[in-house]
Amino acid sequence: GENVEQHPSTLSVQEGDSAVIKCTYSDSASNYFPWYKQELGKRPQLIIDIRSNVGEKKDQRIAVTLNKTAKHFSLHITETQPEDSAVYFCAARNNAGNMLTFGGGTRLMVKP
Amino acid sequence: EPEVTQTPSHQVTQMGQEVILRCVPISNHLYFYWYRQILGQKVEFLVSFYNNEISEKSEIFDDQFSVERPDGSNFTLKIRSTKLEDSAMYFCASSASGSTRSEQYFGPGTRLTVT
Repeated sequence: GENVEQHPSTLSVQEGDSAVIKCTYSDSASNYFPWYKQELGKRPQLIIDIRSNVGEKKDQRIAVTLNKTAKHFSLHITETQPEDSAVYFCAARNNAGNMLTFGGGTRLMVKP
Repeated sequence: EPEVTQTPSHQVTQMGQEVILRCVPISNHLYFYWYRQILGQKVEFLVSFYNNEISEKSEIFDDQFSVERPDGSNFTLKIRSTKLEDSAMYFCASSASGSTRSEQYFGPGTRLTVT
């Protein structure tokens, strides 16, 4: 089955700096890669996703890149703000099913 | 904006007891899911459900677990005889379709504590 690894597990940045979170996946058939933000005690919320037919997608301060050959994808947050502090999860899914396989999560702390 | 809702928000039960966790998916969605998250760990897939039957399940989803859509709005997860290791946050999710074009939206979760 699919295995998703996520790094780093914790990331501390100064407000205004950029943050990068990286994930690798094992199943070459995976073709959908969402990123979820989870604030303490709350539901995971989809913030951006990318499908395997594109290499990059951007939405304001958030961007995601995908390298299918290397089987890795990354989340980039620019101009970080304290409200970006949360746990971020990457996930992968393939066309054969609906299940999302999640990475272990990254706790991002943005210091004001 | 429509949201997935779940009840209760917190359930405490004794080991060996049955629990039913309830979810109301987004109304026009057709695919439903249960995930769980043990404290401090990753979110894990349990089961997906479509057209009144299970479409996919993980190794975690053993005979102690069952799902049901008893009416047109609710989607339930039953754990027949709870174990200590079932303590976790259980998230329901739904999506409009099963294709990769379809985002999964998560509910707020039910925290299950088994004592």
